[in-house]
Parts: sequence; structure tokens; C-alpha cells
Amino acid sequence: QVQLQESGPGLVKPSQTLSLTCTVSRGSISRGDYYWSWIRQHPEKGLEWIGYIFYSGSTYYNPSLKSRVTLSVDTSKSQFSLKLSSVTAADTAVYYCARGARRAEVLNYLDYWGQGTLVTVSS
Amino acid sequence: SFELTQPPSMSVSPGQTASITCFGDKLGDRYVCWYQQKPGQSPLLVIYQDRKRPSGIPERFSGSNSGNTATLTISGTQPMDEADYYCQAWDSSLVFGGGTKLTVL
Repeated sequence: QVQLQESGPGLVKPSQTLSLTCTVSRGSISRGDYYWSWIRQHPEKGLEWIGYIFYSGSTYYNPSLKSRVTLSVDTSKSQFSLKLSSVTAADTAVYYCARGARRAEVLNYLDYWGQGTLVTVSS
Repeated sequence: SFELTQPPSMSVSPGQTASITCFGDKLGDRYVCWYQQKPGQSPLLVIYQDRKRPSGIPERFSGSNSGNTATLTISGTQPMDEADYYCQAWDSSLVFGGGTKLTVL
């Protein structure tokens, strides 16, 4: 079954850019029936969707984060990436990547998740 | 903006039925799914498209969605079902409920 693995720095300084990559294995990132998503979870809090990217490169972002988020995809490496700019302590969270089922052009549900990676924003 | 509202917590005795609700405006007009999250683990999809169970999810998990309320029902709740549960739907953005902490005691 599909596996996803997040990677990237666990510590980022305030005002800098958070960068994470998700590597997809045991499944094709180029399938047209999936969106590739990022979700975060603040400590002891609920889930917050960040955005998704399609294998073609088209993206859709959470309006609350849109101004600071950039997603990209590298199908040759079976990877997709997240960049979040101008981070503050409020961006400290566990970041998950996940595969999302695409139904009628809508992200329907997230069926496979990575294990998550904790990113701390601190000087 | 569209919001999904869940009770923060609930408890159930082993063997009993747990019903976790998720409220949203005209929620029955869109698909809802549910995730289970245990401490230190990633969320696990337990119900999708209102009532479908992914492969490997026990039959005691079921879902419904009508009007403004979606419900996740766990029949014959087991101690291993103790977890946080999140509902999710799409409305111009992917939206999660705030989560319900289910205690089995």
C-alpha cells in the first residue's frame, strides 16, 4: 500500500521559511484521481488543512494560509513539497502529508497519511 | 466561513454504543468522512463518503449524514477505540471538526 514520508528541518527560526518534502512510495504520484495534501496539527490541538497539489502542478490553498504557502511537485522523484514563509511561533506544529481522493474535482477524503514531523519555530 | 462542530469529549462503557456527532450547515448536502487519531499516531480514515468503511476498519464503525448532522457510531465499543475522532468535509476548502476525545471506561 501507499506510503508517505515527510522530511525536513525540525527547527526553523522566526521570519524564515519552513520547507518540507513528502516522498511517496509504493504508488504513483501521477495518478489523476488523487490530490497530494499537507495538514498540520498544533500541539494538543486539532487538524488544519494547508493545501493540496495535483500531479500537473495545479494547487489549492487554505485561504487562511494562502499568502504564505507554496506547494510544488516533482513527479520524477515521486515527491511533493511545502514552503511556508515568514514563520512565527504560531507555526510550530506537527506537519503531515497525505493522499487525498479526488472525486468530481473535489478533495473528498485523505486515505493515506505520513507519520508526521514536528517543526518548531524558535530562535 | 463553513465550520464543523463536534462535542469536545464523551465517554462510553466497554460494549456500549458511542455516537459522535458533527454539526455543519447543510452538512447532509456534502460528503463527510471521519478519522481516528490515537496519541502519537497519524490520523486513520475510518469512514468516508458518509458511510463507507475502508478496508481493514472493523464493522462496528458506521456513519450517517443527514440534514445538518453527521454521526459516527461505534457499536460494541472496545477499549482500543479510545482516541480522538475528527469529522471532515469540503466547502471551498477542506474543513475539519474540532475533534472529540472518546474515553472508554
